[in-house]
Amino acid sequence: KNQVEQSPQSLIILEGKNCTLQCNYTVSPFSNLRWYKQDTGRGPVSLTIMTFSENTKSNGRYTATLDADTKQSSLHITASQLSDSASYICVVSPNNAGNMLTFGGGTRLMVKP
Amino acid sequence: NAGVMQNPRHLVRRRGQEARLRCSPMKGHSHVYWYRQLPEEGLKFMVYLQKENIIDESGMPKERFSAEFPKEGPSILRIQQVVRGDSAAYFCASSPAIQETQYFGPGTRLLVL
Repeated sequence: KNQVEQSPQSLIILEGKNCTLQCNYTVSPFSNLRWYKQDTGRGPVSLTIMTFSENTKSNGRYTATLDADTKQSSLHITASQLSDSASYICVVSPNNAGNMLTFGGGTRLMVKP
Repeated sequence: NAGVMQNPRHLVRRRGQEARLRCSPMKGHSHVYWYRQLPEEGLKFMVYLQKENIIDESGMPKERFSAEFPKEGPSILRIQQVVRGDSAAYFCASSPAIQETQYFGPGTRLLVL
């Protein structure tokens, strides 16, 4: 069964600090992995997308890494800001088809001043 | 270019009533996906449609739920005879092609009393 597990479930950090969110998946075959940010009461917004041949992808203060061998990904947030408070969702696609995405449960990040 | 639009944003229904959720995809996008998000859970795929066609409805309950994407107008997710367990956030996403990044709407939060 295709699964995406994220950790931690929730995280509180102080403004300006860095943090790393984890994603483990058992989706097979593997096509790509996306990280989405979902603000409270809003729809998810894509941050990064990586295929199996990519190890790292950056988008501003967000850097995603991918290890296709161990089936792990991480999202590193640098110099956190209050606006980073949101849920971060790891999404894995087995065949690049939009109807086959498997969503993780998300990590709820709260950045405090 | 307006993003994915969903309405209403909030919908309250009593048990046994019908709920109609509407989704207007981004301009130029002909692929629409519906997801359901229960409280504290990840998004779950429900149905994938292209103009006038249901491509994959494997995630949609067999009874009471239906979806359409007519040639003209928004996509509609219809829930008949709602029950309390239908209370959730329903998100619509669209993409220009099945393998392209999905853009999410703000969601409709359905509360069944």
